[in-house]
Amino acid sequence: EAQVTQNPRYLITVTGKKLTVTCSQNMNHEYMSWYRQDPGLGLRQIYYSMNVEVTDKGDVPEGYKVSRKEKRNFPLILESPSPNQTSLYFCASSLFRSQGGYEQYFGPGTRLTVT
Amino acid sequence: SQKIEQNSEALNIQEGKTATLTCNYTNYSPAYLQWYRQDPGRGPVFLLLIRENEKEKRKERLKVTFDTTLKQSLFHITASQPADSATYLCARISGGSYIPTFGRGTSLIVHP
Repeated sequence: EAQVTQNPRYLITVTGKKLTVTCSQNMNHEYMSWYRQDPGLGLRQIYYSMNVEVTDKGDVPEGYKVSRKEKRNFPLILESPSPNQTSLYFCASSLFRSQGGYEQYFGPGTRLTVT
Repeated sequence: SQKIEQNSEALNIQEGKTATLTCNYTNYSPAYLQWYRQDPGRGPVFLLLIRENEKEKRKERLKVTFDTTLKQSLFHITASQPADSATYLCARISGGSYIPTFGRGTSLIVHP
Protein backbone atom coordinates (compact mmCIF):
# COMPACT_ATOMS: atom_id res chain seq x y z
CA GLU A 1 0.00 0.00 0.00
CA ALA A 2 1.32 3.42 -1.02
CA GLN A 3 1.79 5.50 2.09
CA VAL A 4 3.72 8.05 4.10
CA THR A 5 4.49 6.99 7.66
CA GLN A 6 5.55 9.14 10.58
CA ASN A 7 6.84 8.22 14.00
CA PRO A 8 6.07 8.86 16.72
CA ARG A 9 2.41 9.80 16.36
CA TYR A 10 2.34 11.50 19.75
CA LEU A 11 5.21 12.97 21.71
CA ILE A 12 5.41 14.95 24.93
CA THR A 13 8.84 16.31 25.75
CA VAL A 14 10.57 19.02 27.74
CA THR A 15 12.23 22.20 26.59
CA GLY A 16 15.73 21.67 25.24
CA LYS A 17 15.65 17.90 24.83
CA LYS A 18 16.62 17.05 21.26
CA LEU A 19 14.14 14.98 19.31
CA THR A 20 13.69 13.50 15.85
CA VAL A 21 10.44 12.76 14.06
CA THR A 22 10.90 10.21 11.31
CA CYS A 23 9.13 10.22 7.95
CA SER A 24 9.24 7.50 5.34
CA GLN A 25 7.47 7.02 1.99
CA ASN A 26 7.27 3.93 -0.20
CA MET A 27 6.24 5.59 -3.47
CA ASN A 28 9.72 6.48 -4.76
CA HIS A 29 8.80 10.18 -4.68
CA GLU A 30 11.54 12.73 -5.20
CA TYR A 31 9.83 15.58 -3.36
CA MET A 32 9.27 15.51 0.40
CA SER A 33 8.32 18.23 2.84
CA TRP A 34 7.41 18.97 6.44
CA TYR A 35 4.53 21.12 7.63
CA ARG A 36 3.22 22.29 10.94
CA GLN A 37 -0.45 22.98 11.50
CA ASP A 38 -1.64 25.36 14.18
CA PRO A 39 -5.19 26.53 14.97
CA GLY A 40 -6.01 29.69 13.07
CA LEU A 41 -2.79 29.56 11.07
CA GLY A 42 -3.31 26.64 8.75
CA LEU A 43 -0.57 24.49 7.27
CA ARG A 44 2.83 26.10 7.00
CA GLN A 45 5.81 24.52 5.28
CA ILE A 46 8.95 24.10 7.39
CA TYR A 47 11.44 22.50 4.99
CA TYR A 48 11.31 20.67 1.70
CA SER A 49 13.57 18.43 -0.31
CA MET A 50 13.57 17.95 -4.06
CA ASN A 51 15.80 14.89 -3.96
CA VAL A 52 18.55 13.14 -2.01
CA GLU A 53 20.96 15.64 -0.42
CA VAL A 54 18.88 18.59 -1.69
CA THR A 55 16.94 20.47 1.00
CA ASP A 56 15.64 24.01 1.29
CA LYS A 57 13.79 26.22 3.73
CA GLY A 58 10.05 26.69 3.65
CA ASP A 59 8.14 29.48 5.33
CA VAL A 60 8.93 28.66 8.98
CA PRO A 61 12.31 26.88 9.22
CA GLU A 62 13.64 28.46 12.43
CA GLY A 63 14.37 25.91 15.14
CA TYR A 64 14.24 22.91 12.80
CA LYS A 65 16.70 20.82 10.81
CA VAL A 66 16.19 18.15 8.19
CA SER A 67 18.30 15.69 6.26
CA ARG A 68 17.75 13.63 3.12
CA LYS A 69 20.32 10.88 2.94
CA GLU A 70 17.98 8.37 1.31
CA LYS A 71 15.15 8.96 -1.09
CA ARG A 72 12.51 7.36 1.11
CA ASN A 73 13.36 9.06 4.44
CA PHE A 74 13.13 12.69 5.51
CA PRO A 75 13.53 13.12 9.29
CA LEU A 76 12.68 16.35 11.10
CA ILE A 77 15.07 17.29 13.88
CA LEU A 78 14.41 19.69 16.73
CA GLU A 79 17.81 20.33 18.33
CA SER A 80 16.44 22.32 21.27
CA PRO A 81 12.63 22.23 21.31
CA SER A 82 10.73 25.13 22.82
CA PRO A 83 7.06 25.43 23.84
CA ASN A 84 6.26 27.46 20.70
CA GLN A 85 7.05 24.35 18.68
CA THR A 86 4.07 22.58 20.20
CA SER A 87 2.05 21.74 17.12
CA LEU A 88 0.70 19.08 14.79
CA TYR A 89 3.35 18.08 12.25
CA PHE A 90 2.80 16.50 8.86
CA CYS A 91 5.25 14.97 6.44
CA ALA A 92 4.30 14.87 2.75
CA SER A 93 5.72 13.50 -0.47
CA SER A 94 5.01 13.82 -4.17
CA LEU A 95 6.43 13.15 -7.59
CA PHE A 96 8.66 16.03 -8.61
CA ARG A 97 7.56 17.87 -11.69
CA SER A 98 9.69 20.78 -12.82
CA GLN A 99 6.55 22.75 -13.69
CA GLY A 100 5.02 22.13 -10.31
CA GLY A 101 1.37 21.28 -9.82
CA TYR A 102 2.24 18.14 -7.91
CA GLU A 103 -0.31 16.54 -5.59
CA GLN A 104 1.09 15.77 -2.18
CA TYR A 105 0.51 12.64 -0.10
CA PHE A 106 0.45 13.41 3.59
CA GLY A 107 1.39 11.27 6.54
CA PRO A 108 -0.95 10.74 9.52
CA GLY A 109 0.62 13.49 11.61
CA THR A 110 2.70 13.78 14.78
CA ARG A 111 1.26 15.70 17.68
CA LEU A 112 4.13 17.26 19.60
CA THR A 113 3.83 18.93 23.00
CA VAL A 114 6.85 20.74 24.46
CA THR A 115 6.52 21.68 28.14
CA SER B 1 3.15 38.54 0.17
CA GLN B 2 0.91 35.94 -1.40
CA LYS B 3 -2.19 35.17 0.59
CA ILE B 4 -4.97 32.70 0.26
CA GLU B 5 -8.24 33.08 2.07
CA GLN B 6 -11.02 30.67 2.82
CA ASN B 7 -14.23 31.31 4.70
CA SER B 8 -13.55 30.55 8.36
CA GLU B 9 -17.21 29.99 9.12
CA ALA B 10 -18.47 26.44 8.82
CA LEU B 11 -20.78 25.67 5.93
CA ASN B 12 -23.89 23.76 6.96
CA ILE B 13 -26.02 22.18 4.24
CA GLN B 14 -28.63 19.48 3.86
CA GLU B 15 -27.84 16.12 2.33
CA GLY B 16 -28.41 16.07 -1.41
CA LYS B 17 -27.68 19.77 -1.93
CA THR B 18 -24.63 21.18 -3.65
CA ALA B 19 -21.92 22.51 -1.35
CA THR B 20 -19.86 25.42 -2.66
CA LEU B 21 -16.64 26.47 -0.96
CA THR B 22 -14.64 29.57 -1.83
CA CYS B 23 -10.92 30.22 -2.07
CA ASN B 24 -9.71 33.78 -2.72
CA TYR B 25 -6.14 34.78 -3.41
CA THR B 26 -4.27 38.06 -3.49
CA ASN B 27 -1.58 39.43 -5.77
CA TYR B 28 -0.75 37.63 -8.97
CA SER B 29 -2.45 34.48 -10.13
CA PRO B 30 -0.99 31.22 -8.92
CA ALA B 31 0.15 28.70 -11.47
CA TYR B 32 -1.93 26.06 -9.70
CA LEU B 33 -4.61 25.75 -7.13
CA GLN B 34 -5.10 22.52 -5.25
CA TRP B 35 -7.94 21.31 -3.07
CA TYR B 36 -7.49 18.87 -0.19
CA ARG B 37 -9.83 17.21 2.28
CA GLN B 38 -8.83 16.89 5.93
CA ASP B 39 -10.66 14.84 8.55
CA PRO B 40 -10.08 15.55 12.26
CA GLY B 41 -6.72 14.26 13.46
CA ARG B 42 -5.68 13.08 9.99
CA GLY B 43 -3.44 14.31 7.21
CA PRO B 44 -4.89 16.17 4.23
CA VAL B 45 -5.90 14.10 1.22
CA PHE B 46 -5.46 15.50 -2.30
CA LEU B 47 -8.68 15.95 -4.28
CA LEU B 48 -8.22 18.14 -7.35
CA LEU B 49 -5.73 20.45 -9.03
CA ILE B 50 -6.53 23.23 -11.50
CA ARG B 51 -4.04 25.19 -13.60
CA GLU B 52 -4.26 28.92 -14.25
CA ASN B 53 -5.16 28.36 -17.90
CA GLU B 54 -8.05 26.04 -16.99
CA LYS B 55 -11.50 27.28 -16.09
CA GLU B 56 -12.99 24.08 -14.73
CA LYS B 57 -12.00 20.61 -13.59
CA ARG B 58 -14.26 17.72 -12.61
CA LYS B 59 -13.88 14.46 -10.77
CA GLU B 60 -16.99 12.43 -10.00
CA ARG B 61 -19.17 14.64 -7.75
CA LEU B 62 -16.45 17.27 -7.40
CA LYS B 63 -15.97 20.35 -9.54
CA VAL B 64 -13.40 23.12 -9.25
CA THR B 65 -13.48 26.42 -11.11
CA PHE B 66 -10.78 29.04 -11.45
CA ASP B 67 -11.59 32.69 -12.18
CA THR B 68 -8.43 34.77 -12.58
CA THR B 69 -10.46 37.97 -12.96
CA LEU B 70 -12.14 37.52 -9.59
CA LYS B 71 -8.98 35.91 -8.13
CA GLN B 72 -11.11 33.09 -6.90
CA SER B 73 -11.55 29.33 -7.03
CA LEU B 74 -14.84 27.63 -6.21
CA PHE B 75 -15.07 24.02 -5.06
CA HIS B 76 -18.40 22.27 -5.54
CA ILE B 77 -19.64 18.96 -4.17
CA THR B 78 -22.87 17.91 -5.83
CA ALA B 79 -25.38 15.57 -4.20
CA SER B 80 -23.58 16.04 -0.89
CA GLN B 81 -23.60 13.27 1.71
CA PRO B 82 -22.92 13.28 5.47
CA ALA B 83 -19.66 11.44 4.66
CA ASP B 84 -18.50 14.59 2.84
CA SER B 85 -18.35 16.41 6.18
CA ALA B 86 -14.74 17.48 6.68
CA THR B 87 -12.46 20.49 6.41
CA TYR B 88 -11.49 21.46 2.87
CA LEU B 89 -8.17 23.18 2.24
CA CYS B 90 -7.15 25.25 -0.74
CA ALA B 91 -3.48 25.67 -1.64
CA ARG B 92 -1.84 27.93 -4.19
CA ILE B 93 1.43 27.23 -5.94
CA SER B 94 3.08 29.98 -7.94
CA GLY B 95 5.08 29.25 -11.04
CA GLY B 96 8.67 28.33 -10.18
CA SER B 97 7.91 27.98 -6.47
CA TYR B 98 7.98 24.77 -4.50
CA ILE B 99 6.36 26.29 -1.44
CA PRO B 100 2.58 25.90 -1.46
CA THR B 101 0.56 28.42 0.50
CA PHE B 102 -2.41 26.83 2.22
CA GLY B 103 -5.60 28.49 3.30
CA ARG B 104 -6.89 27.85 6.80
CA GLY B 105 -9.65 25.63 5.49
CA THR B 106 -13.42 25.68 5.60
CA SER B 107 -15.40 23.16 7.60
CA LEU B 108 -18.29 21.54 5.74
CA ILE B 109 -21.08 19.88 7.69
CA VAL B 110 -23.67 17.91 5.73
CA HIS B 111 -26.81 17.17 7.71
CA PRO B 112 -28.84 14.00 6.98
